[in-house]
Amino acid sequence: GAVVSQHPSWVICKSGTSVKIECRSLDFQATTMFWYRQFPKQSLMLMATSNEGSKATYEQGVEKDKFLINHASLTLSTLTVTSAHPEDSSFYICSASVDTQYFGPGTRLTVL
Amino acid sequence: QKEVEQDPGPLSVPEGAIVSLNCTYSNSAFQYFMWYRQYSRKGPELLMYTYSSGNKEDGRFTAQVDKSSKYISLFIRDSQPSDSATYLCAMSEGQAGTALIFGKGTTLSVSS
Repeated sequence: GAVVSQHPSWVICKSGTSVKIECRSLDFQATTMFWYRQFPKQSLMLMATSNEGSKATYEQGVEKDKFLINHASLTLSTLTVTSAHPEDSSFYICSASVDTQYFGPGTRLTVL
Repeated sequence: QKEVEQDPGPLSVPEGAIVSLNCTYSNSAFQYFMWYRQYSRKGPELLMYTYSSGNKEDGRFTAQVDKSSKYISLFIRDSQPSDSATYLCAMSEGQAGTALIFGKGTTLSVSS
């Protein structure tokens, strides 16, 4: 139980384009989902907390207009990286919360 | 002082060894304590989830929490090469929907 999926698992895009990443809880409903990014050999950095039906809460230093989060249902949250640039290249991981947080497999974004 | 301290290692042990991984923390309000295992280029996988002080065992894994010392441990018995990964401790003040505070992670290598 407590399986979380992400799609796509990896994506390569050109600078200036937008990329959408989906996070789904497959066998449970999650009122709260979280989005993290992780750079090589570093720990997870929380980007935002997303509650179903309300606006996401962004961590300090995370641009809410660049990283658009939508949590339209109890099983789906999306992260859209708008006008992506090479410095946005990273490993993006979502988690869904029931008793604790269960993580998706991550999405590797490479911006050329 | 960071909220959660974790020695990044790397830690190298032979197959069959007992491994001890540790974290210390400063926030006495933390009540929930987790250990996650993360393989390279994958999302973190929940290993152990404990509430307050005490021990919890699951197969070859034992988690210990000592709130009086603000110290948590994960023991791995009969370590296997497949245990080679990064181990992240995490903790939170509340349960579902509460942000996790992560340690930096300890990289473990088990040689056959």
